[in-house]
Amino acid sequence: QKEVEQNSGPLSVPEGAIASLNCTYSDRGSQSFFWYRQYSGKSPELIMSIYSNGDKEDGRFTAQLNKASQYVSLLIRDSQPSDSATYLCAVQRYGQNFVFGPGTRLSVLP
Amino acid sequence: DTGVSQDPRHKITKRGQNVTFRCDPISEHNRLYWYRQTLGQGPEFLTYFQNEAQLEKSRLLSDRFSAERPKGSFSTLEIQRTEQGDSAMYLCASSQSGTGAYEQYFGPGTRLTVT
Repeated sequence: QKEVEQNSGPLSVPEGAIASLNCTYSDRGSQSFFWYRQYSGKSPELIMSIYSNGDKEDGRFTAQLNKASQYVSLLIRDSQPSDSATYLCAVQRYGQNFVFGPGTRLSVLP
Repeated sequence: DTGVSQDPRHKITKRGQNVTFRCDPISEHNRLYWYRQTLGQGPEFLTYFQNEAQLEKSRLLSDRFSAERPKGSFSTLEIQRTEQGDSAMYLCASSQSGTGAYEQYFGPGTRLTVT
Protein backbone atom coordinates (compact mmCIF):
# COMPACT_ATOMS: atom_id res chain seq x y z
CA GLN A 1 0.00 0.00 0.00
CA LYS A 2 1.36 3.38 -1.00
CA GLU A 3 1.82 5.80 1.86
CA VAL A 4 0.02 8.75 0.26
CA GLU A 5 -2.48 8.23 -2.53
CA GLN A 6 -4.11 10.70 -4.90
CA ASN A 7 -6.08 10.29 -8.09
CA SER A 8 -3.69 11.20 -10.88
CA GLY A 9 -6.38 12.87 -12.95
CA PRO A 10 -6.68 14.82 -15.01
CA LEU A 11 -9.57 16.38 -13.17
CA SER A 12 -11.38 18.77 -15.48
CA VAL A 13 -13.75 21.44 -14.16
CA PRO A 14 -15.33 24.44 -15.88
CA GLU A 15 -14.24 27.92 -14.93
CA GLY A 16 -16.12 29.16 -11.86
CA ALA A 17 -16.87 25.67 -10.54
CA ILE A 18 -15.58 24.03 -7.36
CA ALA A 19 -12.64 21.68 -7.78
CA SER A 20 -12.35 18.91 -5.19
CA LEU A 21 -9.02 17.16 -4.71
CA ASN A 22 -8.62 14.17 -2.45
CA CYS A 23 -5.77 12.45 -0.64
CA THR A 24 -5.57 9.39 1.61
CA TYR A 25 -2.63 8.32 3.75
CA SER A 26 -1.64 5.13 5.50
CA ASP A 27 0.43 6.29 8.49
CA ARG A 28 -1.87 6.88 11.46
CA GLY A 29 0.98 8.69 13.22
CA SER A 30 0.84 11.51 10.69
CA GLN A 31 0.22 14.87 12.28
CA SER A 32 0.77 17.55 9.68
CA PHE A 33 -0.77 17.82 6.23
CA PHE A 34 0.06 20.12 3.36
CA TRP A 35 -1.17 20.98 -0.11
CA TYR A 36 1.25 22.21 -2.76
CA ARG A 37 0.57 23.49 -6.26
CA GLN A 38 3.06 22.72 -9.00
CA TYR A 39 2.99 24.24 -12.46
CA SER A 40 4.64 22.30 -15.24
CA GLY A 41 8.42 22.63 -15.07
CA LYS A 42 8.30 24.59 -11.81
CA SER A 43 8.87 23.65 -8.17
CA PRO A 44 6.06 23.03 -5.65
CA GLU A 45 4.45 26.07 -4.05
CA LEU A 46 2.80 25.78 -0.63
CA ILE A 47 -0.93 26.52 -0.64
CA MET A 48 -2.26 25.28 2.69
CA SER A 49 -1.24 23.48 5.83
CA ILE A 50 -3.68 21.79 8.22
CA TYR A 51 -2.99 20.12 11.55
CA SER A 52 -6.39 19.58 13.21
CA ASN A 53 -9.56 17.77 12.15
CA GLY A 54 -12.07 19.96 10.38
CA ASP A 55 -11.92 22.70 7.80
CA LYS A 56 -9.40 25.47 7.25
CA GLU A 57 -10.18 28.25 4.79
CA ASP A 58 -7.79 30.62 3.03
CA GLY A 59 -9.33 32.72 0.31
CA ARG A 60 -10.71 30.45 -2.41
CA PHE A 61 -9.04 27.40 -0.85
CA THR A 62 -10.45 25.14 1.87
CA ALA A 63 -8.52 22.20 3.31
CA GLN A 64 -10.42 19.47 5.12
CA LEU A 65 -8.90 16.87 7.42
CA ASN A 66 -10.38 13.71 8.88
CA LYS A 67 -7.72 11.79 10.80
CA ALA A 68 -10.08 8.93 11.71
CA SER A 69 -10.65 8.25 8.01
CA GLN A 70 -7.03 9.15 7.13
CA TYR A 71 -8.32 11.56 4.54
CA VAL A 72 -7.45 15.11 3.57
CA SER A 73 -8.98 17.17 0.79
CA LEU A 74 -8.61 20.52 -0.91
CA LEU A 75 -11.51 22.49 -2.32
CA ILE A 76 -10.91 25.31 -4.78
CA ARG A 77 -13.89 27.61 -5.19
CA ASP A 78 -14.50 29.77 -8.26
CA SER A 79 -11.84 27.85 -10.18
CA GLN A 80 -9.82 29.87 -12.66
CA PRO A 81 -7.77 28.72 -15.67
CA SER A 82 -4.69 29.87 -13.72
CA ASP A 83 -5.47 27.15 -11.16
CA SER A 84 -4.63 24.52 -13.79
CA ALA A 85 -1.66 22.70 -12.29
CA THR A 86 -0.71 19.54 -10.42
CA TYR A 87 -1.72 19.52 -6.75
CA LEU A 88 0.48 17.57 -4.38
CA CYS A 89 -0.60 16.28 -0.99
CA ALA A 90 2.17 15.92 1.62
CA VAL A 91 1.98 14.20 4.98
CA GLN A 92 4.39 14.44 7.90
CA ARG A 93 4.97 12.65 11.16
CA TYR A 94 6.00 15.07 13.88
CA GLY A 95 9.34 16.61 12.98
CA GLN A 96 10.14 14.11 10.26
CA ASN A 97 10.41 14.35 6.50
CA PHE A 98 7.43 14.87 4.22
CA VAL A 99 5.90 12.04 2.20
CA PHE A 100 4.31 13.27 -1.00
CA GLY A 101 1.56 11.76 -3.06
CA PRO A 102 1.93 11.49 -6.85
CA GLY A 103 -0.23 14.56 -7.40
CA THR A 104 -3.53 15.24 -9.14
CA ARG A 105 -3.51 17.17 -12.38
CA LEU A 106 -6.27 19.79 -12.47
CA SER A 107 -7.48 21.40 -15.67
CA VAL A 108 -9.85 24.38 -15.45
CA LEU A 109 -11.61 24.90 -18.73
CA PRO A 110 -12.49 28.48 -19.78
CA ASP B 1 15.03 37.67 -2.83
CA THR B 2 14.87 35.88 0.51
CA GLY B 3 13.53 32.56 -0.76
CA VAL B 4 15.33 29.26 -1.24
CA SER B 5 17.85 29.38 -4.07
CA GLN B 6 19.51 26.56 -5.98
CA ASP B 7 22.42 26.47 -8.34
CA PRO B 8 22.73 25.51 -11.13
CA ARG B 9 19.21 25.50 -12.52
CA HIS B 10 20.11 23.07 -15.25
CA LYS B 11 22.93 20.56 -15.58
CA ILE B 12 23.70 18.27 -18.47
CA THR B 13 26.39 15.70 -17.84
CA LYS B 14 27.72 12.52 -19.34
CA ARG B 15 27.25 9.19 -17.67
CA GLY B 16 30.02 8.47 -15.21
CA GLN B 17 30.75 12.11 -14.37
CA ASN B 18 30.33 13.62 -10.90
CA VAL B 19 27.98 16.54 -10.31
CA THR B 20 27.43 18.86 -7.36
CA PHE B 21 24.41 21.01 -6.62
CA ARG B 22 24.10 23.84 -4.14
CA CYS B 23 21.13 25.00 -2.08
CA ASP B 24 20.84 28.18 -0.02
CA PRO B 25 17.86 28.01 2.36
CA ILE B 26 15.74 30.84 3.74
CA SER B 27 18.13 32.53 6.15
CA GLU B 28 16.25 31.91 9.41
CA HIS B 29 15.42 28.28 8.59
CA ASN B 30 17.46 25.63 10.38
CA ARG B 31 16.12 22.61 8.49
CA LEU B 32 17.10 21.80 4.93
CA TYR B 33 15.72 18.97 2.80
CA TRP B 34 16.69 17.39 -0.50
CA TYR B 35 14.16 15.70 -2.76
CA ARG B 36 14.23 14.16 -6.21
CA GLN B 37 11.31 14.35 -8.58
CA THR B 38 10.75 12.53 -11.85
CA LEU B 39 8.01 13.20 -14.39
CA GLY B 40 4.54 12.36 -13.14
CA GLN B 41 5.67 11.62 -9.60
CA GLY B 42 5.66 13.56 -6.37
CA PRO B 43 8.94 14.63 -4.78
CA GLU B 44 10.85 11.72 -3.24
CA PHE B 45 12.70 12.38 0.00
CA LEU B 46 16.49 11.99 -0.11
CA THR B 47 17.90 13.48 3.08
CA TYR B 48 17.54 16.32 5.57
CA PHE B 49 19.64 18.41 7.93
CA GLN B 50 18.92 20.27 11.09
CA ASN B 51 21.62 22.89 11.32
CA GLU B 52 24.77 21.01 10.25
CA ALA B 53 23.61 17.57 11.40
CA GLN B 54 22.30 15.14 8.80
CA LEU B 55 19.37 13.61 10.67
CA GLU B 56 17.85 11.26 8.12
CA LYS B 57 18.80 9.67 4.85
CA SER B 58 16.46 7.70 2.62
CA ARG B 59 17.10 3.97 2.45
CA LEU B 60 16.62 4.32 -1.28
CA LEU B 61 19.59 6.65 -1.53
CA SER B 62 22.53 5.06 -3.27
CA ASP B 63 25.98 5.48 -1.73
CA ARG B 64 26.86 7.45 -4.86
CA PHE B 65 24.87 10.30 -3.32
CA SER B 66 26.28 12.44 -0.53
CA ALA B 67 25.12 15.66 1.03
CA GLU B 68 26.74 18.16 3.34
CA ARG B 69 25.78 21.25 5.25
CA PRO B 70 29.08 22.16 6.87
CA LYS B 71 28.18 25.41 8.62
CA GLY B 72 24.48 24.95 8.97
CA SER B 73 23.76 27.37 6.16
CA PHE B 74 24.01 26.27 2.51
CA SER B 75 24.08 22.63 1.52
CA THR B 76 25.60 20.65 -1.33
CA LEU B 77 24.39 17.43 -2.91
CA GLU B 78 26.95 15.42 -4.86
CA ILE B 79 26.22 12.53 -7.18
CA GLN B 80 29.22 10.44 -8.14
CA ARG B 81 29.47 8.30 -11.27
CA THR B 82 26.14 9.53 -12.62
CA GLU B 83 23.79 7.11 -14.34
CA GLN B 84 20.97 7.82 -16.78
CA GLY B 85 18.49 6.91 -14.05
CA ASP B 86 19.73 9.90 -12.05
CA SER B 87 18.10 12.25 -14.54
CA ALA B 88 15.48 14.14 -12.55
CA MET B 89 14.65 17.43 -10.91
CA TYR B 90 16.53 17.84 -7.64
CA LEU B 91 14.61 20.00 -5.20
CA CYS B 92 15.76 21.67 -2.03
CA ALA B 93 13.38 22.89 0.66
CA SER B 94 13.81 24.56 4.02
CA SER B 95 11.75 24.97 7.17
CA GLN B 96 12.00 26.28 10.69
CA SER B 97 11.75 23.73 13.49
CA GLY B 98 10.60 24.39 17.01
CA THR B 99 7.64 26.59 16.19
CA GLY B 100 5.12 23.79 15.84
CA ALA B 101 4.71 24.50 12.14
CA TYR B 102 6.91 22.59 9.77
CA GLU B 103 5.93 24.12 6.50
CA GLN B 104 8.57 23.55 3.86
CA TYR B 105 9.38 26.05 1.14
CA PHE B 106 10.96 24.85 -2.06
CA GLY B 107 13.65 26.33 -4.23
CA PRO B 108 13.36 26.41 -8.04
CA GLY B 109 15.13 23.07 -8.43
CA THR B 110 18.08 21.81 -10.45
CA ARG B 111 17.17 19.79 -13.51
CA LEU B 112 19.79 17.12 -14.18
CA THR B 113 20.07 15.36 -17.51
CA VAL B 114 22.52 12.47 -17.79
CA THR B 115 23.39 11.55 -21.36
